[in-house]
Amino acid sequence: QKEVEQDPGPLSVPEGAIVSLNCTYSNSAFQYFMWYRQYSRKGPELLMYTYSSGNKEDGRFTAQVDKSSKYISLFIRDSQPSDSATYLCATVSGGYNKLIFGAGTRLAVHP
Amino acid sequence: EAGVTQFPSHSVIEKGQTVTLRCDPISGHDNLYWYRRVMGKEIKFLLHFVKESKQDESGMPNNRFLAERTGGTYSTLKVQPAELEDSGVYFCASSQDRGSSPNTGELFFGEGSRLTVL
Repeated sequence: QKEVEQDPGPLSVPEGAIVSLNCTYSNSAFQYFMWYRQYSRKGPELLMYTYSSGNKEDGRFTAQVDKSSKYISLFIRDSQPSDSATYLCATVSGGYNKLIFGAGTRLAVHP
Repeated sequence: EAGVTQFPSHSVIEKGQTVTLRCDPISGHDNLYWYRRVMGKEIKFLLHFVKESKQDESGMPNNRFLAERTGGTYSTLKVQPAELEDSGVYFCASSQDRGSSPNTGELFFGEGSRLTVL
């Protein structure tokens, strides 16, 4: 069983739609959860991170963690074509930023 | 401020040859990481340097891979001899030592070095 599972998509939505991206994880000891965004031919860049359960909002983006179900979500409101990218969920194993990534979901927002 | 830079951006070699990838972290970042993504798989951790010391090399696939960070600045990752399954994108990342908050995952990634082994 993979430690972090993520549906690779692709996901195609019209501009302005609400996008929901999801991951599940297997180890209840994981505490930190991140969402990275990766544009084509670029490196991943940190979008948001959360600690333990709860929500975190940043502009059009909301990250949600439900530790009881081991479920991680990223919501994008009023999606824009510039949001078209691959979104990677990740968690930390041990210390010092040793990340475990999901497979990434490719998102396309069309005008 | 310059980000993490990697060289080459793409390398095509034949099986059995040697390739060396280079990473220049963000200036002042003591922590340097190598990750890689092979086709169709997740990005996976390879190893972590703190300055010039290997903190964790548990992700290195085998002894054909050698990473160095002499002087605690740039790092190289050598693959010798390369095999077909080594093809993928090798990412370097760096982070500042955040003291009491080492686990926030705020890594800064380079654009990656794409390796194709024929």
